[in-house]
Amino acid sequence: GENVEQHPSTLSVQEGDSAVIKCTYSDSASNYFPWYKQELGKGPQLIIDIRSNVGEKKDQRIAVTLNKTAKHFSLHITETQPEDSAVYFCAASPNDYKLSFGAGTTVTVRA
Amino acid sequence: GAVVSQHPSWVICKSGTSVKIECRSLDFQATTMFWYRQFPKQSLMLMATSNEGSKATYEQGVEKDKFLINHASLTLSTLTVTSAHPEDSSFYICSASKGRDEQFFGPGTRLTVL
Repeated sequence: GENVEQHPSTLSVQEGDSAVIKCTYSDSASNYFPWYKQELGKGPQLIIDIRSNVGEKKDQRIAVTLNKTAKHFSLHITETQPEDSAVYFCAASPNDYKLSFGAGTTVTVRA
Repeated sequence: GAVVSQHPSWVICKSGTSVKIECRSLDFQATTMFWYRQFPKQSLMLMATSNEGSKATYEQGVEKDKFLINHASLTLSTLTVTSAHPEDSSFYICSASKGRDEQFFGPGTRLTVL
């Protein structure tokens, strides 16, 4: 099955700086890569996703890049704000629609 | 939109009792619903996948007789934890799919078994 590794496990950044989270996956058949933000006591919320036919996608302060050859993808958050503090999960999905999640990254934005 | 609700948001029960959790897609028909379990400071672990009108497919290591899943309609799936024990205490989260690989998650249900 798919194995997704995520780094770092914790990330502390100064407000206004950028945050980068990296994930690698094992199954070359995976073709869908979503990123979720989870606040304490709540369910995950989709913040951005990318499919295997695209190398980069951007939505305001959030961007995701995908390198299929190296089997890794990254989340970039620019101009971080305190409300960006949360746990972020990457995931990968092969053709059976199941999501395999990374271990999560706890992001803390220092004011 | 794609809104998924769960009920209850939290539940406390005595050991040995059964607990039912509902998952509803409020503004779309979900061809597939998924149930996850999440322990504190850990990732989401898929328990089972359910399609409307058919039996759920359970992940390896998940007891189907303990975690009963019913997907009676395109907008409702239920998870029943039977004969709950303290080790079943966890955060249970459902998600729903419109048919592609995008999953929309519910807010989760915190189960505490005394």
